[in-house]
Amino acid sequence: KQEVTQIPAALSVPEGENLVLNCSFTDSAIYNLQWFRQDPGKGLTSLLLIQSSQREQTSGRLNASLDKSSGRSTLYIAASQPGDSATYLCAVNRVQAGTALIFGKGTTLSVSS
Amino acid sequence: GAVVSQHPSRVICKSGTSVKIECRSLDFQATTMFWYRQFPKKSLMLMATSNEGSKATYEQGVEKDKFLINHASLTLSTLTVTSAHPEDSSFYICSAALPGGNEQFFGPGTRLTVL
Repeated sequence: KQEVTQIPAALSVPEGENLVLNCSFTDSAIYNLQWFRQDPGKGLTSLLLIQSSQREQTSGRLNASLDKSSGRSTLYIAASQPGDSATYLCAVNRVQAGTALIFGKGTTLSVSS
Repeated sequence: GAVVSQHPSRVICKSGTSVKIECRSLDFQATTMFWYRQFPKKSLMLMATSNEGSKATYEQGVEKDKFLINHASLTLSTLTVTSAHPEDSSFYICSAALPGGNEQFFGPGTRLTVL
């Protein structure tokens, strides 16, 4: 059974810091991995999608890497801003595209000004 | 990107009543939609996979008679919580994938509170 773990559960940093969020999964047979952002009481915003054949994806200040063999992914946020404060969720596809996602519990990030 | 909407965004109901939540893909056709549930400070848990024109596939532990799912068209899936109880209070989120696509797009969620 696939399990997704995110460390740390919570993180507080001052504005401007670079930070890394970690995600690990137990079964390396994934189709792809997605990182999402969730603001309190809101839905999910997709940040980055990494297909199993890829090693990383970048969007602006965000960079996500994937090491499928070791079952790990990291989300790197450069020059953090207070607006980055949210919960970041990592999720993997079961087996193939178009199937349901299995989520980690998320990392709640707080960036102070 | 593709847009998924949910209605209502928030609902409060009395114990014993039924509540219907709609999930729509606004600018694409979704043969498959997914329903998730999220408890406070917890992750999203898959409840069921909704396939257009066929019966939904429920995850283990999810009561199919309590959480009725209908996927009548390629752009609409509905989740009906029947005879709701306070323990059903939660945040319900749907998602849809583009046909043959990898990325899933999520609705804004529905906050259900059962008194």
